[in-house]
Amino acid sequence: NAGVMQNPRHLVRRRGQEARLRCSPMKGHSHVYWYRQLPEEGLKFMVYLQKENIIDESGMPKERFSAEFPKEGPSILRIQQVVRGDSAAYFCAGRAGTEAFFGQGTRLTVV
Amino acid sequence: DAKTTQPTSMDCAEGRAANLPCNHSTISGNEYVYWYRQIHSQGPQYIIHGLKNNETNEMASLIITEDRKSSTLILPHATLRDTAVYYCIVRAVYNQGGKLIFGQGTELSVKP
Repeated sequence: NAGVMQNPRHLVRRRGQEARLRCSPMKGHSHVYWYRQLPEEGLKFMVYLQKENIIDESGMPKERFSAEFPKEGPSILRIQQVVRGDSAAYFCAGRAGTEAFFGQGTRLTVV
Repeated sequence: DAKTTQPTSMDCAEGRAANLPCNHSTISGNEYVYWYRQIHSQGPQYIIHGLKNNETNEMASLIITEDRKSSTLILPHATLRDTAVYYCIVRAVYNQGGKLIFGQGTELSVKP
């Protein structure tokens, strides 16, 4: 998927712990989107960021979830005090022009 | 962004062309048609997009009707690796920064 790197690919967390998911878009892609895919469900938009700014967070749960895309470094999706319902695949996409390119995702399992 | 309608599932024989339809009857003049696919739990993969002219790249062709109310994605020689969920998405030209909204898509099964 065109060089969009997500890590870790798999993450296991116990209930109550924090999960940090990282996304490095392709060089020059200053726009990042995060999506969540629950098991057997579709892709749901969470948040859209441009360097150092949150542009659209209409899909983010109001509590425990936050995202950032600093001037330097990857975009981070942070989930505090994880619960079993947070178990899902989390995908990020980077964009510079008209096409968005997705990473392979991070599969979060909460035990 | 306009709503799209796609068949839930389709089958295609390996080596034949796969033609995936999409209806977007409420599309407006400044909206692009995008196609993505997701191969079993992998990240969505960009395929192609167009505004009003037909488009072709190394993966597929996109045929948009003259009234732009529907389009067809064509995979000219489908292989087993093309088995995936295909999403047709409409997004405004001025809203290039906006999110892509994924519907249920079409589950394409390519059979030997």
